Amino acid sequence: QVQLQESGPGLVKPSGTLSLTCAVSGGSISSSNWWSWVRQPPGKGLEWIGEIYHSGSTNYNPSLKSRVTISVDKSKNQFSLKLSSVTAADTAVYYCAREFHDSSGYPIGLDYWGQGTLVTVSS
Amino acid sequence: EIVLTQSPGTLSLSPGERATLSCRASQSVSSSYLAWYQQKPGQAPRLLIYGASSRATGIPDRFSGSGSGTDFTLTISRLEPEDFAVYYCQQYGSSPRGFTFGPGTKVDIK
Repeated sequence: QVQLQESGPGLVKPSGTLSLTCAVSGGSISSSNWWSWVRQPPGKGLEWIGEIYHSGSTNYNPSLKSRVTISVDKSKNQFSLKLSSVTAADTAVYYCAREFHDSSGYPIGLDYWGQGTLVTVSS
Repeated sequence: EIVLTQSPGTLSLSPGERATLSCRASQSVSSSYLAWYQQKPGQAPRLLIYGASSRATGIPDRFSGSGSGTDFTLTISRLEPEDFAVYYCQQYGSSPRGFTFGPGTKVDIK
């Protein structure tokens, strides 16, 4: 059973950089899956942030692309999110998740999720 | 970029009733890449349906998905108390590459 666990500071100052890590257990980050970050502002809907493959290939939400970096550490079986120049609008629960794919390798959903971690942007 | 809209915003029903949730895409979506999630307060989303109509592992058969093109539907045949939650549709686009979620439909107790 794959498990994902987010970790990182729960409070970030405005204009600072949000940094989170997602530890993967029960499976290898070097499998054929891509890995995603999703966020949810309090009381609002879900927003996809971006994805990474174990090779380091990434895709980002165009609305966040200029501020987002997702990286992978295969030796630690984890992947990470950095979001720069944060404002109060970046306050949200951040989730990491595993993607699963059809036979051609195209993503069709997110089947395993972490429990989520609340990050508040405030001075 | 494909935009997903969901209706209604809120659906007030009683246990045992049938729930019909709609997801409409701004452009045609391959059925293979349309998924539905359930989210309860304080919990991560849970995958219910993928490929528009395939139930994920462990999902009861009272949940069913249908549709094609731009119109998709999630049906809960008989609402159980644990089904009152928010439901999101999602698709994966090729240009730009990435997931898009709908705004969600809240199913609450009437």
